[in-house]
Amino acid sequence: AQRVTQPEKLLSVFKGAPVELKCNYSYSGSPELFWYVQYSRQRLQLLLRHISRESIKGFTADLNKGETSFHLKKPFAQEEDSAMYYCALSGGGGSNYKLTFGKGTLLTVNP
Amino acid sequence: DAGVTQSPTHLIKTRGQHVTLRCSPISGHKSVSWYQQVLGQGPQFIFQYYEKEERGRGNFPDRFSARQFPNYSSELNVNALLLGDSALYLCASSASTFSYNEQFFGPGTRLTVL
Repeated sequence: AQRVTQPEKLLSVFKGAPVELKCNYSYSGSPELFWYVQYSRQRLQLLLRHISRESIKGFTADLNKGETSFHLKKPFAQEEDSAMYYCALSGGGGSNYKLTFGKGTLLTVNP
Repeated sequence: DAGVTQSPTHLIKTRGQHVTLRCSPISGHKSVSWYQQVLGQGPQFIFQYYEKEERGRGNFPDRFSARQFPNYSSELNVNALLLGDSALYLCASSASTFSYNEQFFGPGTRLTVL
């Protein structure tokens, strides 16, 4: 069974501080991992995916298969980063795009 | 393109009633997926349709059904509503069922069952 765990429901940091949102997963095969973000009064949108290996808005995430983790990091948080962040997993294999989401972490960046 | 659109925005029903939710995908997208998001939880997968065929189903009872039309729009139907069906229902569209195609989410339909 697929499972995604985000241990922190709430995370509060000050502007300019580093931020790390934790995500752990459970999956027997080779998953594809994603981070989705939902800003206030906006739609859920893709932030980044592990296969792209790119930095979006200063955020990066590395898939650690040994620790089954896909933590989201940013070295210097900005106030506009305040949002709800969801980690999600797809079964991979290219043909199954059912997403399993974690419960989400609400990030607040204080001035 | 306005992106994925869903209707209605809000809906209030009573237990035992039936509800139909609608979704229009982004132009050119042939895959539509439905998710249920209960307050305080992440979205949970219900169905995926591609080219009018069901390609995936989540762990939901048979009271939930869906279909996709020739223009790729989709309907989600829920029969015999229960209080626990109160949730935000999200629709997402993508160009295909392959994971390299991004899923774009709609604004959702907020269903309240009294």
